[in-house]
Amino acid sequence: QVQLVQSGGGVVQPGRSLRLSCAASGFPFSNYVMHWVRQAPGKGLEWVGVISPDGRNTIYGDSVQGRFTISRENSRNTLYLQMNGLRTEDTAMYYCAAAIFDDWGQGTLVVVSS
Amino acid sequence: EIVMTQTPLSSPVTVGQPASISCWSSQSLLHSDGNTYLTWLQQRPGQPPRLLIYKVSNRFSGVPDRFSGSGAGTDFTLKISRVEAEDVGVYYCMQGTQFPYTFGQGTKLEIK
Repeated sequence: QVQLVQSGGGVVQPGRSLRLSCAASGFPFSNYVMHWVRQAPGKGLEWVGVISPDGRNTIYGDSVQGRFTISRENSRNTLYLQMNGLRTEDTAMYYCAAAIFDDWGQGTLVVVSS
Repeated sequence: EIVMTQTPLSSPVTVGQPASISCWSSQSLLHSDGNTYLTWLQQRPGQPPRLLIYKVSNRFSGVPDRFSGSGAGTDFTLKISRVEAEDVGVYYCMQGTQFPYTFGQGTKLEIK
């Protein structure tokens, strides 16, 4: 069955960087767009960005544009979110999601705090 | 950016009774390809979101048929014909017609 297993969260100081990973299995990963979505504690969902199946095209939400980079390694069936210049307001649970949001990772918590 | 607005924000419902959630978009969600990319997601406490409905009215695999979606343009509705205890959680509408994708604020479904 489809699995999206996330890793890489943790506590980081403002201004620092962190990379999240999302390992996919059970479906032809290289054929599908992939998304990142985040959820601040006690808040709603916020779309972070998307990457095309071949990894050549990405689009980001305004709040992360220029600081976050989505990439993928199709040979490893893995999606990444590189987060630079982290701010306290980036504190959230981060989810990867496939295609039409039909499958989601378990989420990984990122806490930005000094 | 398309703004998505949901009502109500909280909905206490008796088990076995119907429930309805409305979602409005600030612009039409009709895409130039003829599809309307309005999605409904359910998030149970402590869980990642789960896809219920895509393209307004298409029930995703494994979703009980008591869930249904309808609407067009800027007005959309999620209906639960008979609420069950397992339906407790927060429901989100989301538009995927125009970047950036945007979500409604969420509607918390509670059992009376």
